Amino acid sequence: DTGVSQNPRHKITKRGQNVTFRCDPISEHNRLYWYRQTLGQGPEFLTYFQNEAQLEKSRLLSDRFSAERPKGSFSTLEIQRTEQGDSAMYLCASSLVLVNTEAFFGQGTRLTVV
Amino acid sequence: EDKVVQSPLSLVVHEGDTVTLNCSYEVTNFRSLLWYKQEKKAPTFLFMLTSSGIEKKSGRLSSILDKKELFSILNITATQTGDSAVYLCAVGPVGGGGSGTYKYIFGTGTRLKVLA
Repeated sequence: DTGVSQNPRHKITKRGQNVTFRCDPISEHNRLYWYRQTLGQGPEFLTYFQNEAQLEKSRLLSDRFSAERPKGSFSTLEIQRTEQGDSAMYLCASSLVLVNTEAFFGQGTRLTVV
Repeated sequence: EDKVVQSPLSLVVHEGDTVTLNCSYEVTNFRSLLWYKQEKKAPTFLFMLTSSGIEKKSGRLSSILDKKELFSILNITATQTGDSAVYLCAVGPVGGGGSGTYKYIFGTGTRLKVLA
């Protein structure tokens, strides 16, 4: 098992373009999380999946953001009509379905909107 | 609203010093408190604490939880330059019950710089 995998690692895009990121969680982990992290801040929760069901979306997730986990395995996060304020590190994490358990993070996708 | 507050925000020490990082929390349905180390990219897991007064240790790092006073500390003894990183505190997974949702809530982190 190689841990949580995210790609691309870096993405530079022009304002107004759409971008899509992919996350492959640890294989036996049914829970999957997306977080956003900006400089000097801790990770901020965006959305959570259990298997293929998206069970919570943060208020940070505007209508331009959509996430999917179609077969309960990998997940994608799409940002439409990107804005400069979307520039951040997007982190994916996964965990087991346990009451007390840690989440394992991927290396993140750093998005720069120019 | 659930929240995690870490202090100090940043810290500069010399190799060999001992540091204590603080984390306080307010959460409606506490399950566990977690510490992560973030160097360049992914936060890497250090400790998970669920019970008060039981110290977790890993080499020069140790951590303890006080569920009555709602805080935790992370100690690093004999610091090395390789300890330079952002240390994140989180509580979670919060949620559950009828909502079906679980998430981890993070503090802003403490940026530690260890000088040679």
